[in-house]
Amino acid sequence: QQQVKQSPQSLIVQKGGISIINCAYENTAFDYFPWYQQFPGKGPALLIAIRPDVSEKKEGRFTISFNKSAKQFSLHIMDSQPGDSATYFCAALGNTPLVFGKGTRLSVIA
Amino acid sequence: ETGVTQSPTHLIKTRGQQVTLRCSSQSGHNTVSWYQQALGQGPQFIFQYYREEENGRGNFPPRFSGLQFPNYSSELNVNALELDDSALYLCASSLQGRVGYEQYFGPGTRLTVT
Repeated sequence: QQQVKQSPQSLIVQKGGISIINCAYENTAFDYFPWYQQFPGKGPALLIAIRPDVSEKKEGRFTISFNKSAKQFSLHIMDSQPGDSATYFCAALGNTPLVFGKGTRLSVIA
Repeated sequence: ETGVTQSPTHLIKTRGQQVTLRCSSQSGHNTVSWYQQALGQGPQFIFQYYREEENGRGNFPPRFSGLQFPNYSSELNVNALELDDSALYLCASSLQGRVGYEQYFGPGTRLTVT
C-alpha cells in the first residue's frame, strides 16, 4: 500500500515557468511533510518542509501548499531554471518512519 | 559542520556474497537511518539506529542488519545477496527528538549484484 501518492511522474516546464508537483496521503498521523531534490548519482537533499498547522511555507522560489482537510500537499517552483532539473520526492513522517512518494522527474527547458 | 558521508561509492558483488556499507553521521547527529532506493523509485526505509540500538525497522528480511557505534557512525550488512538487492543504499542522519525531524542524506552507495 502506497502511503504517499505523488504526481505527475514526469514534468517538462519552460524556463521561467512554474513547476507544480502534487502529493496525497491517507495517514492522518503524519505531522511532517518534507520535499527532497535528487540529482543523478546523488543522495536526496532536503529542500523545504511543512507541518500541518500551516497552509503554506515559502523559501525563495520554492513554496509548499498544504491542504489538511483534503490530505494533499504540493510543491511549487517559481521561475523554474534549467538547474532545477532533477527528481523531486515528497515524503511524510509521523507515527511511521519517513515514507516517500515515487518521485517526479522535472526537466526545465530553455 | 561536516555532512553525511558513505563508503564505498560503488560496489559490485556476486549473488550469495555478503556486503558491508558504512556511514558517518553529520556532526551533532545521533540517529542514523538506512534506505534502499531501487532505480526509478523513492527510498524505502530499512531501519534506524539510535544510541546503538535498532529503533525501527521496515519491511526487509533479517539478512539486512546494522550497527551503530559510539561515535554515531553506522554499518549496514547484507548477507546472502540477491539480484534484487541491486540498488542505491542511502544513509540519513538526524537528531533524535528534535522537533524539526530533519533527515540529511549521504551520497549513497551504489550496489550491483551479479
